[in-house]
Amino acid sequence: NAGVTQTPKFRVLKTGQSMTLLCAQDMNHEYMYWYRQDPGMGLRLIHYSVGEGTTAKGEVPDGYNVSRLKKQNFLLGLESAAPSQTSVYFCASSWANTEAFFGQGTRLTVV
Amino acid sequence: QQQVKQSPQSLIVQKGGISIINCAYENTAFDYFPWYQQFPGKGPALLIAIRPDVSEKKEGRFTISFNKSAKQFSLHIMDSQPGDSATYFCAASMSNSGSRLTFGEGTQLTVNP
Repeated sequence: NAGVTQTPKFRVLKTGQSMTLLCAQDMNHEYMYWYRQDPGMGLRLIHYSVGEGTTAKGEVPDGYNVSRLKKQNFLLGLESAAPSQTSVYFCASSWANTEAFFGQGTRLTVV
Repeated sequence: QQQVKQSPQSLIVQKGGISIINCAYENTAFDYFPWYQQFPGKGPALLIAIRPDVSEKKEGRFTISFNKSAKQFSLHIMDSQPGDSATYFCAASMSNSGSRLTFGEGTQLTVNP
């Protein structure tokens, strides 16, 4: 069982560049989430999805876009990267109000 | 705004001791309270969780104590081991809001041998 798989694991971007982070889950979960983790701030929700074709804003959505075209995939896009988006990004999936399973994370540095 | 506040930020315990981490929440609509454990370079993994209809849940050396009236919950790690050294996050979610988790700031636990 792969669980939740994130690609890439590491990435360095220049300010203004764009990129897409891919999350794939094989547990048939309805709900998927993108979080960012910064020192001393815990994990903060960027965007989430409650089913295929749906997306919603979380706590810190500015500068990010998402898409959920297939139930098993949740994509996070940065259209114009900024140094403030340097962070570790985690994808997670779950059923309603139960255990969320997290990926291994993507460490993104914007220079 | 931070709806879940966690303390302490860091904790050092001797092997065999008890580790206690506390969390307080504001939103009374929260109905699921998990604790996650995270090792360096890894994603968080569920350790133990509680729902507000019980005041305590125990799984092995890990216990959650829940005080609904005070809007507080805590994690107790009995007989702490060096392998327990990790970052611990409390979280809360509500079933009518996409089950999205609101996390505390995290506690870095170090258990000395």
